[in-house]
Amino acid sequence: GAVVSQHPSWVICKSGTSVKIECRSLDFQATTMFWYRQFPKQSLMLMATSNEGSKATYEQGVEKDKFLINHASLTLSTLTVTSAHPEDSSFYICSARDQGRASYEQYFGPGTRLTVT
Amino acid sequence: DAKTTQPTSMDCAEGRAANLPCNHSTISGNEYVYWYRQIHSQGPQYIIHGLKNNETNEMASLIITEDRKSSTLILPHATLRDTAVYYCIVRGSNFGNEKLTFGTGTRLTIIP
Repeated sequence: GAVVSQHPSWVICKSGTSVKIECRSLDFQATTMFWYRQFPKQSLMLMATSNEGSKATYEQGVEKDKFLINHASLTLSTLTVTSAHPEDSSFYICSARDQGRASYEQYFGPGTRLTVT
Repeated sequence: DAKTTQPTSMDCAEGRAANLPCNHSTISGNEYVYWYRQIHSQGPQYIIHGLKNNETNEMASLIITEDRKSSTLILPHATLRDTAVYYCIVRGSNFGNEKLTFGTGTRLTIIP
């Protein structure tokens, strides 16, 4: 149980284009999902908290107009990197909390590697 | 959330117990200690968490000192597949306080 998937697992796009990354909880419902970014040899940095049916909460320094988050259902959150540039190349990871559990551990997806050329 | 301090790297022989320390001297009364690990180019994997009692599951044991200012994650019989970066994270338990703040973690290398 507690499986989170991401699609695509990797993507290459040209500078200026937009890329959408999906995060799904496969066997549980998640009112809250989280989006992280990880640059090579660095730790994970939280970008935003995605709440089902409401606006996402962004961390300081993360541009909400550039990283659009939509959490339309209890099992799906999407991150769209708009007008991508080479500096947006990174490993994007989502996580989800199982709302059916009393504890608050998060389950992570396998990540999406974005390369902007 | 309280800050944690972990050694940058550790080696452990295959088959031996791997003991990963973590200092969290500023932990507050309602904060839990969580451990995750990240194998190269994968998403983090939840290992274990605890409040003040020692915990054990199929993956590992968590030993928390009585004053809760430090803890140790124990992998009882390390295998090559346990090579990963291990993150110790302190986090509140209340709904709405669920953010995980990742530090630099400990890079554990299991030696054949």
